[in-house]
Amino acid sequence: TQLLEQSPQFLSIQEGENLTVYCNSSSVFSSLQWYRQEPGEGPVLLVTVVTGGEVKKLKRLTFQFGDARKDSSLHITAAQPGDTGLYLCAGARSNYQLIWGAGTKLIIKP
Amino acid sequence: EAGVAQSPRYKIIEKRQSVAFWCNPISGHATLYWYQQILGQGPKLLIQFQNNGVVDDSQLPKDRFSAERLKGVDSTLKIQPAKLEDSAVYLCASSFVREQFFGPGTRLTVL
Repeated sequence: TQLLEQSPQFLSIQEGENLTVYCNSSSVFSSLQWYRQEPGEGPVLLVTVVTGGEVKKLKRLTFQFGDARKDSSLHITAAQPGDTGLYLCAGARSNYQLIWGAGTKLIIKP
Repeated sequence: EAGVAQSPRYKIIEKRQSVAFWCNPISGHATLYWYQQILGQGPKLLIQFQNNGVVDDSQLPKDRFSAERLKGVDSTLKIQPAKLEDSAVYLCASSFVREQFFGPGTRLTVL
């Protein structure tokens, strides 16, 4: 069974601090996606990483796919209250089905 | 472009009652997914459709859950009879190729 472990499960920091969320697996994925979910809404896709070692930036968010395509990280620089939400990673199988992590609940305090 | 539509947004029922959820995917998206998301967890795939055919329903509790996608567009998910542990958010997603787009979900509370 393919599993994706996300850490930390919960993170509460002050505005302006940096943070990193990790997504790890023993399985290789064809791609990995990061989503953000706000209360009462469905997950919204932030980024898809496909190539081992790939780094993508989305404003203050930096996403990295591990060289072996088994792990990924999300780094947020100078976190803002608007970054608050549930961050989910999902690894894609070859048939595009997603294996989901349990999520990281992030709270940024003003 | 209109997003994935779901209804109702909220539903409260008593155990052993029946409930149905409706999903309208993004136009042109052949693949439709139903997920169950329990509080504090990631989404769990219940069923995947490609057009009006089932691709994967291995995690669908078929003794009480059923889903259909007639004409390959809209889909309904039904629970009959509901149990307390069915309390969750039911998400519908659609995709054209790889990236999935989600609806707002239906929050089900079973009392």
